[in-house]
Amino acid sequence: DAKTTQPPSMDCAEGRAANLPCNHSTISGNEYVYWYRQIHSQGPQYIIHGLKNNETNEMASLIITEDRKSSTLILPHATLRDTAVYYCIVRVLNAGNNRKLIWGLGTSLAVNP
Amino acid sequence: GAVVSQHPSRVICKSGTSVKIECRSLDFQATTMFWYRQFPKQSLMLMATSNEGSKATYEQGVEKDKFLINHASLTLSTLTVTSAHPEDSSFYICSASAPRWGLAGRETQYFGPGTRLLVL
Repeated sequence: DAKTTQPPSMDCAEGRAANLPCNHSTISGNEYVYWYRQIHSQGPQYIIHGLKNNETNEMASLIITEDRKSSTLILPHATLRDTAVYYCIVRVLNAGNNRKLIWGLGTSLAVNP
Repeated sequence: GAVVSQHPSRVICKSGTSVKIECRSLDFQATTMFWYRQFPKQSLMLMATSNEGSKATYEQGVEKDKFLINHASLTLSTLTVTSAHPEDSSFYICSASAPRWGLAGRETQYFGPGTRLLVL
């Protein structure tokens, strides 16, 4: 079962910032929040992850609320190539004591010219 | 860095035959590899997790005798779909992870490009 909630779809104008929200109200203290994206018919691409501090890399910024119950992925200047399904994921331990990712349906982001 | 490859990228086979899919981490040693399946317009579903040199851990509902996983080295894992049937047609994706900075809990999964399987 997915432990995150995301809007099913969003639109963004090219060159503007895309802010993708995610709720993870049941996240526990040691669970990381990961963001991946999947362009049609390709494998998912890692974007960013964080625990409680805000994070930034060359692709995006991740803002995590103080209570850690929600986060926002920010693509500062969206381009047409950013059109993809964006997944917000928390990581849990499975039966083999490995950390696995629980995938929901994600947000389908359409960047429009 | 952190490149994962899969081979083949697409395969068509007859019902009843077996298909092997390879997953390789090209520039890092993967302590753990994951196999997923994705049907059209659905999300990724984890099938199994494998650690190098040990038996894979399968998710509930995934038949271990049908989906054979071998993780022979730190850079290679294979998934064999045995006696494939049309309902096994799907997009199979692998991922590989390794600890970052040697700290537990900091592993990141990097994904291969996927293998599209069509069983006729």
